[in-house]
Amino acid sequence: SQTIHQWPATLVQPVGSPLSLECTVEGTSNPNLYWYRQAAGRGLQLLFYSVGIGQISSEVPQNLSASRPQDRQFILSSKKLLLSDSGFYLCAWSAGTKSSGNTIYFGEGSWLTVV
Amino acid sequence: GENVEQHPSTLSVQEGDSAVIKCTYSDSASNYFPWYKQELGKRPQLIIDIRSNVGEKKDQRIAVTLNKTAKHFSLHITETQPEDSAVYFCAAGRSGYSTLTFGKGTMLLVSP
Repeated sequence: SQTIHQWPATLVQPVGSPLSLECTVEGTSNPNLYWYRQAAGRGLQLLFYSVGIGQISSEVPQNLSASRPQDRQFILSSKKLLLSDSGFYLCAWSAGTKSSGNTIYFGEGSWLTVV
Repeated sequence: GENVEQHPSTLSVQEGDSAVIKCTYSDSASNYFPWYKQELGKRPQLIIDIRSNVGEKKDQRIAVTLNKTAKHFSLHITETQPEDSAVYFCAAGRSGYSTLTFGKGTMLLVSP
């Protein structure tokens, strides 16, 4: 079966510091990968998605970036965090085949507090 | 692009009552409609989904209905229990496309 791992689970970072969140998926190949953010505990904001290695689509312009160095690895980064970057970050995946539909499965999330 | 509207934003019911959450979508080409449940501090989890070739789908106390003509779909929870309290998200997507469009969520509160 497929599993998704995301880390760290919680982190507190000072303003202006860098960020790296990592995510890996097991049990599938060529998945679609996503980074979402939830601020204020409600809506799911899509930040980035990737349909293959090195292919990144950005949905919201901001000081965050994403990379996909390997097929099942997705990394969210920032060079300098802002207070407004605080939130709950969710990595997610879906099957890459066109016939499978769009079911998206979420990782357990990372709580980021920028102080 | 697709736009999904979800109502109500908050829903309070007594234990044992039914709860209904409604979503509308704008893209007539959308053909996949999942529902996610997110408990406090946890990840969203898929609870039920429906595709456009089906009008209704049930799984125990949960059911989803789809009206393609009106472009709306609904989540029905019967005999609600306190553990049903969570935020529920609807979404719409198209087969072969890699993204879903989510509604803004409904916070369901079930009082004992």
